[in-house]
Amino acid sequence: TQLTQSPSSLSASVGDSVTITCRASQDISIYLAWYQQKPGKAPEVLIYAASTLQSGVPSRFSGSGSGTDFSLTISSLQPEDFATYYCQQLDSYPRTFGEGTRLEIK
Amino acid sequence: EAQLMESGGGLGRRGGSVRLSCAASGFDFRTYSMNWVRQAPGKGLEWISYISSASNIIYYADSVQGRFTISRDNARNSLYLQMNNLRGDDTGVYYCARLPSISEVYAFDIWGQGTVVTVSS
Repeated sequence: TQLTQSPSSLSASVGDSVTITCRASQDISIYLAWYQQKPGKAPEVLIYAASTLQSGVPSRFSGSGSGTDFSLTISSLQPEDFATYYCQQLDSYPRTFGEGTRLEIK
Repeated sequence: EAQLMESGGGLGRRGGSVRLSCAASGFDFRTYSMNWVRQAPGKGLEWISYISSASNIIYYADSVQGRFTISRDNARNSLYLQMNNLRGDDTGVYYCARLPSISEVYAFDIWGQGTVVTVSS
């Protein structure tokens, strides 16, 4: 299953709300996760099962979708949110990732 | 606290071999399936291999099938990746990552810090 993530990069300001989308090439039900990765660090899971917030993740992060179309929304951006975001499908093998979205400060 | 720590990275020759290890602590390793994920310099994440808790189910990405071998030793709380016939595009950071069951956090919820593999000619 291929995942198409958009946009590939995004500029926004602190306090803005942004949405990243992830489209699967086939129906993956809700088996989608979102990760945040900062430079030089391992990824961290934000959302799993398309919309379930991982413990400890701020509530300004939210996920939605099912089937083939998914989105990650970050409301009221904070300075620590500027990073790269990846979606990943867990419906089948290979466990593909999206190409990533780099979120930069405007 | 659940933790994973990779080791074994370094310089490998093209056509040569490298063996990575991942040491688990702070959780019952034998009950979790595990994965290896890599990231080429400046690129995105690429899943490369999966092993079930009892080692009875294994999957590989096409890019490493036939060259890499995943294994684990539950008695030693350790995961391994034997990398043979190295190619230049195997260069990158290699992460081990935990996958809980589908009834729990169904995502790669714990990651190691990564170990760098550089393949030279």
